[in-house]
Amino acid sequence: SQKIEQNSEALNIQEGKTATLTCNYTNYSPAYLQWYRQDPGRGPVFLLLIRENEKEKRKERLKVTFDTTLKQSLFHITASQPADSATYLCALDAGTGGFKTIFGAGTRLFVKA
Amino acid sequence: DAGVIQSPRHEVTEMGQEVTLRCKPISGHDYLFWYRQTMMRGLELLIYFNNNVPIDDSGMPEDRFSAKMPNASFSTLKIQPSEPRDSAVYFCASSSGTSGLNEQFFGPGTRLTVL
Repeated sequence: SQKIEQNSEALNIQEGKTATLTCNYTNYSPAYLQWYRQDPGRGPVFLLLIRENEKEKRKERLKVTFDTTLKQSLFHITASQPADSATYLCALDAGTGGFKTIFGAGTRLFVKA
Repeated sequence: DAGVIQSPRHEVTEMGQEVTLRCKPISGHDYLFWYRQTMMRGLELLIYFNNNVPIDDSGMPEDRFSAKMPNASFSTLKIQPSEPRDSAVYFCASSSGTSGLNEQFFGPGTRLTVL
């Protein structure tokens, strides 16, 4: 079955720097990969989707890459701000042909002022 | 739109009791998902519906769990009887199949504590 690996250790960076989070998967290449943000006590919020035939997707200060050879996605936040502090979840389609999604455990990001 | 609405927000119950969690999806969304989140296991999909029909319930832990969607604007997740290991945050999410993004909109969650 598909496994998703995200760095379980929190990432601490200084305000203004670029935060880079990693998502690795172990089995089949998913048709798409998503990134969500989750704040404490709240549900996840969708940020970006990238499809298997796309190498890069941008949205404002966010950039996602998708390398199907390495089975990896990188999520970048440029010019990071303390308000970016949250847990970021990677999610993949489950490969069942439907809308089933598998989520990674998430990486906690702390941006210090 | 008010977003996905879940009730109750918090539920504390004793082992053996029946628990019913409720969800109202975003109007017009044709997919509804139930997730459970714990520190140990992360966010797990329990079941999802399309047009009120259950499509995949392979994540439902056991027969103690059941979910229904009697109409497009309401779904329930029931646990009977509840056990301490069911303690978790339960999220409902909805999505539009026409967007092509499978962007899921999550509710605020129900924090369940089974004593």
